[in-house]
Amino acid sequence: QQQVKQSPQSLIVQKGGISIINCAYENTAFDYFPWYQQFPGKGPALLIAIRPDVSEKKEGRFTISFNKSAKQFSLHIMDSQPGDSATYFCAASIPPSNTGKLIFGQGTTLQVKP
Amino acid sequence: DTGVSQDPRHKITKRGQNVTFRCDPISEHNRLYWYRQTLGQGPEFLTYFQNEAQLEKSRLLSDRFSAERPKGSFSTLEIQRTEQGDSAMYLCASSVGQGGETQYFGPGTRLLVL
Repeated sequence: QQQVKQSPQSLIVQKGGISIINCAYENTAFDYFPWYQQFPGKGPALLIAIRPDVSEKKEGRFTISFNKSAKQFSLHIMDSQPGDSATYFCAASIPPSNTGKLIFGQGTTLQVKP
Repeated sequence: DTGVSQDPRHKITKRGQNVTFRCDPISEHNRLYWYRQTLGQGPEFLTYFQNEAQLEKSRLLSDRFSAERPKGSFSTLEIQRTEQGDSAMYLCASSVGQGGETQYFGPGTRLLVL
């Protein structure tokens, strides 16, 4: 119940294309769903996040779509660029009133070809 | 605000030795988290502090691991009698608790146990 399942494991997209990464969860106590971007040798950096009372959130080229009934959420990267090549992790958070700890997916390695 | 810092960035040690890592969170962040990340996986929660109190420890944190956060500022993570299975990236993150879910990660300490 604490797991977050992420797919695909790896993704290759042409420059200018749309990258889509999916995640699914079981624990309905999760109330915050961030996406992190990680470059080799670096710590994860917050990209965008959403709460379950919102179905979509957009920040620049990055959009989260959230389906509460299906317990699924996804990251869409529009107009993908070679600089977006990185590993992306979805995560879910136990409420901060409890621990606030993050449960991460397994990660998706994105390669954007020029 | 210089972000979360971790020291050292890399550590190579021999099996059986003790190692200690340090994390300096963003100032005034009262919550501090430790995660462990192995190659090709997402970070896994180890433990967290609210101010100087250690409030939760994962089952991943065996009795060879100990973490402290004296005075509620920096934190240390010590591994005693290291094993090859301890080889991983150890990540620290900080946040403002009770409403501030965003966790800011440091660059991590990569440990290699020979």
